[in-house]
Amino acid sequence: GAVVSQHPSWVICKSGTSVKIECRSLDFQATTMFWYRQFPKQSLMLMATSNEGSKATYEQGVEKDKFLINHASLTLSTLTVTSAHPEDSSFYICSARDLTVISYNEQFFGPGTRLTVL
Amino acid sequence: AQKVTQAQTEISVVEKEDVTLDCVYETRDTTYYLFWYKQPPSGELVFLIRRNSFDEQNEISGRYSWNFQKSTSSFNFTITASQVVDSAVYFCALSEAGYQKVTFGTGTKLQVIP
Repeated sequence: GAVVSQHPSWVICKSGTSVKIECRSLDFQATTMFWYRQFPKQSLMLMATSNEGSKATYEQGVEKDKFLINHASLTLSTLTVTSAHPEDSSFYICSARDLTVISYNEQFFGPGTRLTVL
Repeated sequence: AQKVTQAQTEISVVEKEDVTLDCVYETRDTTYYLFWYKQPPSGELVFLIRRNSFDEQNEISGRYSWNFQKSTSSFNFTITASQVVDSAVYFCALSEAGYQKVTFGTGTKLQVIP
């Protein structure tokens, strides 16, 4: 159980286009999903926390108008990178928190989406 | 604020050697959770262990063992008889109770040479 999927697994796009990344919890409900960004050979940095039915909370330094997050249901959150530029090229990872597992603060991670902007 | 430090950027060992990955954390909370994740070249994070701040018992799982010491704010990870398949980046992470944010260390890249 506790499986999180992401789609697509990789995407290449031209500069100036928008890209949408989906994060789904497959076998549990997630009131909260998290979006991380990982540049090559670096650690995971939290971008935003997404709560179902409400606006996302962005970490300092993350442009909310550039990285649009929607969490419309308990199993789906989307991250849209608007007007992508080469510097947005990165590995984007989502995670979800299982409502039924109230202990340990455990989050379940998706497999990640590699974005390359040409 | 919470912080996780993994001072070892890269480690190379010869297969069958034991290796310890260090993790030092900082937090003002008395209740918190510590994690270790493995990230192979494919990129997907693999959960290895979680430990809450009230459980200082060391844990062993096969070739893996973890040493949690609150006195030194450390949560070190040892791989015994390393194998080539252990080659990956390993992240230590911290989450404070009641606060959902997980803070990751900078990671340690482990290379096991055949």
